[in-house]
Amino acid sequence: DAGVIQSPRHEVTEMGQEVTLRCKPISGHNSLFWYRQTMMRGLELLIYFNNNVPIDDSGMPEDRFSAKMPNASFSTLKIQPSEPRDSAVYFCASSYPQGPQYFGPGTRLLVL
Amino acid sequence: DQQVKQNSPSLSVQEGRISILNCDYTNSMFDYFLWYKKYPAEGPTFLISISSIKDKNEDGRFTVFLNKSAKHLSLHIVPSQPGDSAVYFCAASATSGSRLTFGEGTQLTVNP
Repeated sequence: DAGVIQSPRHEVTEMGQEVTLRCKPISGHNSLFWYRQTMMRGLELLIYFNNNVPIDDSGMPEDRFSAKMPNASFSTLKIQPSEPRDSAVYFCASSYPQGPQYFGPGTRLLVL
Repeated sequence: DQQVKQNSPSLSVQEGRISILNCDYTNSMFDYFLWYKKYPAEGPTFLISISSIKDKNEDGRFTVFLNKSAKHLSLHIVPSQPGDSAVYFCAASATSGSRLTFGEGTQLTVNP
C-alpha cells in the first residue's frame, strides 16, 4: 500500500523565492494535516482539512503561508516569499474519520 | 504553553528489558492519545492509541496506559529490541481525527 507521498523530499532555495510543497494522502482518507518540525518548537500543526475543506488554520504562521486542497488526492503548502526562519521539516499526514494520522516522509526545506 | 510534555529527553535500556516512556498533559479536553515512533529522516510512524474511555491498550510488545486523574500516560515496550531505538512522541487530541498536539519526544536507545 502506498503511504502518504510528499514531494520534493529536499528543497534548498534563496530568501524571497516561492516554495511549493506537495502532498498526496492515502487513498480513502478524508482528513489531511500539514505539520512543521523545528528544533525550537518541535512538531506543530499548521493547518488541516476535512473533505478538502480547511478546518483549522490557526497554526499557519503568517500570510506568507497558504495551503490548498483542490481535490481528495492532492494538497499544496506554499510559502511566498520564503525566509530563512522557514527552514524546517514539513510533514503531511492523513487519516480516516476518527482514526490515527499517518505521516509522509517529510520535506526538508532550507532557505538561504 | 506546553499542553503535552515528555519530561525525559532520553532513555537507555538493555535489550530484552522493559522500556517505559512517560507523557503528561494539562488539557482536560484531550480524550484521544497516540504514540508515534520516529527514525531520522523519516516521518513519524503510528504505534498505538488509546481513547479516554479505556485505561489500557495492548498491541504485541507495546502497551499504553492512561491515568486520566493524573493526566498521565505511558508506553511500555516489552521486550525491548535494538530496532526500537528511535524518538518516541506522545500526542493528544480533543477528539480522534482532529488536530494533534505533540510532546517534545524521548530518544530511546536499546543496547544489545
